[in-house]
Amino acid sequence: QSALTQPPSASGSPGQSVTISCTGTSSDVGGYNYVSWYQQHPGKAPKLMIYEVSKRPSGVPDRFSGSKSGNTASLTVSGLQAEDEADYYCSSYGVFGGGTKLTVL
Amino acid sequence: QVQLVESGGGLVKPGGSLRLSCAASGFTFSDYYMSWIRQAPGKGLEWVSYISSSSSYTNYADSVKGRFTISRDNAKNSLYLQMNSLRAEDTAVYYCARWDYYGSGSYDYWGQGTLVTVSS
Repeated sequence: QSALTQPPSASGSPGQSVTISCTGTSSDVGGYNYVSWYQQHPGKAPKLMIYEVSKRPSGVPDRFSGSKSGNTASLTVSGLQAEDEADYYCSSYGVFGGGTKLTVL
Repeated sequence: QVQLVESGGGLVKPGGSLRLSCAASGFTFSDYYMSWIRQAPGKGLEWVSYISSSSSYTNYADSVKGRFTISRDNAKNSLYLQMNSLRAEDTAVYYCARWDYYGSGSYDYWGQGTLVTVSS
């Protein structure tokens, strides 16, 4: 399976919203509601932020939201905070995207 | 609380072998699929292998097929990755992760990772 496609970078100012896309195919993102998103700070393990396209695990702020349209899933971070600066990875059925580095300006 | 603790990483010469371990606690280990996922320095996440809850099913990335073997011991709440014929491109931090195969399909818990360096 090919990796899912994410933009290499995204940025926004504190308080703003930013959306990161994740494009796959009808065999992964488009075919199932098994899309998840992970946050990774430098030197740390990834952390699950969104599962099943739009659900948040306990403890994840509601500033993080997910959606999907066709073969593209999206992660939106609203009300950006400095601690949101990290790498974000999408995944569907075990395949990962290449990652997006989110910078808070 | 769920904990996954990897061990066994280190420096190994090309062609050498290494066995990684992952000790699990805080959940019923035998109920879950488990995976190994790696991250080369400065690169993204790459799924390596998974094993079903009863060890009936395993799968490997093409890049490691025939060289790596995943296994588990449910009595010891432990996951393993035997890595043979190691190459420079296997250099990475290796994470074990719980795969919620029967539920969300997500990797809901991750260990802290163990670094494997393949170099002469």
